Amino acid sequence: DIVMTQSPDSLAVSLGERATINCKSSQSILYRSDNKNYLAWYQQKPGQPPKLLIYWASTRESGVPDRFSGSGSGTDFTLTISSLQAEDVAVYFCQQYYATPRGFGQGTRLEIK
Amino acid sequence: QVQLVQSGAEVKKPGASVKVSCKASGYTFTNYEINWVRQATGQGLEWMGWINPNSGDTGLAQNFQGRVTMTRDTSISTAYMELSSLRSEDTAVYYCARSKGDYSSIWYAIPESWGQGTLVTVSS
Repeated sequence: DIVMTQSPDSLAVSLGERATINCKSSQSILYRSDNKNYLAWYQQKPGQPPKLLIYWASTRESGVPDRFSGSGSGTDFTLTISSLQAEDVAVYFCQQYYATPRGFGQGTRLEIK
Repeated sequence: QVQLVQSGAEVKKPGASVKVSCKASGYTFTNYEINWVRQATGQGLEWMGWINPNSGDTGLAQNFQGRVTMTRDTSISTAYMELSSLRSEDTAVYYCARSKGDYSSIWYAIPESWGQGTLVTVSS
């Protein structure tokens, strides 16, 4: 099974500052035939289901603010929020959909400093 | 618009089974994969498996093999997840999620639209 590990577990950032969350897979999730990384990022606020933010590691979902960006390839990935807003307080999860089981990272809790 | 409406909260005793439903609307049910994901209170997301609503084929996480059954009823556009031999550790919110794209697309495996969640409590 591919294991997804996020870091840090929690993060406190000042409003307007950059937030960076990392996700590492135990094996490459880059599919050579289409050169795509099979990784998604989700945001979850209390009492709500997860919301898809980014897929293919760096493609922003429609309607997601452009302060959210994803990067990385192979086994190492990053979600960056360029200028933290109050509404970004949430837990963020990465997920690989390269192979079954399609595991999630353990989550990173993002708070305001 | 795409909607996934799940069944209501359940309270079960240890050893019992629970069956959660996920009724889809706003799209062609058989064309999009459904994933099941659970989340214990204050914990992370745990992927359980997927079902192809057209064929009924499933792919399950090893943790749940032998205890979980995923089925569908195409006549009413509803997917089901049944978990047996319940224990207290199975207390969680269970979500269904539809993929972003249909099976003819490259997005077929990306969960995009989520149900509201169903709380299953296992307690004696």
